[in-house]
Amino acid sequence: EDQVTQSPEALRLQEGESSSLNCSYTVSGLRGLFWYRQDPGKGPEFLFTLYSAGEEKEKERLKATLTKKESFLHITAPKPEDSATYLCAVPYNNNDMRFGAGTRLTVKP
Amino acid sequence: NAGVTQTPKFRILKIGQSMTLQCTQDMNHNYMYWYRQDPGMGLKLIYYSVGAGITDKGEVPNGYNVSRSTTEDFPLRLELAAPSQTSVYFCASTLGAVDEQYFGPGTRLTVT
Repeated sequence: EDQVTQSPEALRLQEGESSSLNCSYTVSGLRGLFWYRQDPGKGPEFLFTLYSAGEEKEKERLKATLTKKESFLHITAPKPEDSATYLCAVPYNNNDMRFGAGTRLTVKP
Repeated sequence: NAGVTQTPKFRILKIGQSMTLQCTQDMNHNYMYWYRQDPGMGLKLIYYSVGAGITDKGEVPNGYNVSRSTTEDFPLRLELAAPSQTSVYFCASTLGAVDEQYFGPGTRLTVT
């Protein structure tokens, strides 16, 4: 079955300690991979869309990359305000989106 | 633009009661979605709509119903509420099928 798996489930970093979050997918015929940020008690907020292997996108301290089987969200020199849950999602069938369970990131000052 | 709005923010239901979760978007988006999110889990699609008058089931539709009479509104109906429906419900909209989704703030529902 097509699915999306994120790892790790939780990640604790010190401020300034760079790391990466992983999103692996098995859906065939990828039509895009989406990254969202979700703060506690709020709805997800869109970050990036990647469409083809080798593509990269950046926003402040975040950089998303895509291969044929997975995507990475690299966080460089994170700050406490980067603490959130990061979700990835891929289109499934024609009209719906399949989400991973998310990585809960905590950045300590 | 207000974006996607949802009401209520919180609700407690007794087993067997019914309710409607409201969702409205003011971006003239064609596609609208209802998801539920349980602790530690990703978003699960309940129902979606590709335009007024057109709805279809998602991954977890049992116990829910939807309607889409206008472009702006996409209410979710819970009939005969069960404890398994305790969750946070998010409504989302998007212009095209494979575009980024805009989410509402969510409705936290508890069924006891």
